[in-house]
Amino acid sequence: GAVVSQHPSWVICKSGTSVKIECRSLDFQATTMFWYRQFPKQSLMLMATSNEGSKATYEQGVEKDKFLINHASLTLSTLTVTSAHPEDSSFYICSAKADTGPYEQYFGPGTRLTVT
Amino acid sequence: AQSVTQLGSHVSVSEGALVLLRCNYSSSVPPYLFWYVQYPNQGLQLLLKYTSAATLVKGINGFEAEFKKSETSFHLTKPSAHMSDAAEYFCAVSRMDSSYKLIFGSGTRLLVRP
Repeated sequence: GAVVSQHPSWVICKSGTSVKIECRSLDFQATTMFWYRQFPKQSLMLMATSNEGSKATYEQGVEKDKFLINHASLTLSTLTVTSAHPEDSSFYICSAKADTGPYEQYFGPGTRLTVT
Repeated sequence: AQSVTQLGSHVSVSEGALVLLRCNYSSSVPPYLFWYVQYPNQGLQLLLKYTSAATLVKGINGFEAEFKKSETSFHLTKPSAHMSDAAEYFCAVSRMDSSYKLIFGSGTRLLVRP
């Protein structure tokens, strides 16, 4: 149980285009999901907290107009990187907190974004 | 504010040897503490968590960690390393509140020598 999927697992896009990453909780409901960014050989940096039915809460320094988050259902959150640039290339990981049960977060497998 | 410090960006052990990965935390409120493992190009898998119950926490794959409030530590151990344990390990702290935010340490890469 407690499986989180991400789609796509990797994506290459051209500079200036937008790309959408999906995060789904497959066997549980998650009112709260999180989006992280991880640079090579570095730790995870929390970008934003996504809450179903409300606006996402962004961490300091994260451009909310560039990283659009939509949490339209209890099992799906999406991250759209708008007008992507090479410096946006990174590994993006989502996590979901189950509405019932313990406080742990369940992590997706990550999405590798490369902007050319 | 909460923070996590992981001492040693790389730890190398021989197969069969004791694994010790260090984690110290800073928190003004009682914390939840976690250890996660990450294999290359994958997400994070929870190894174990401390949520104010028993101070010695047993996790998956033979790992365990002990919460020591006096030392503000939550070190991860495994009696005998296996080649499959080679991965990146992250310690994380969370407030016991409704934000559920995780603050991660910088990570420790475990290398296991045959």
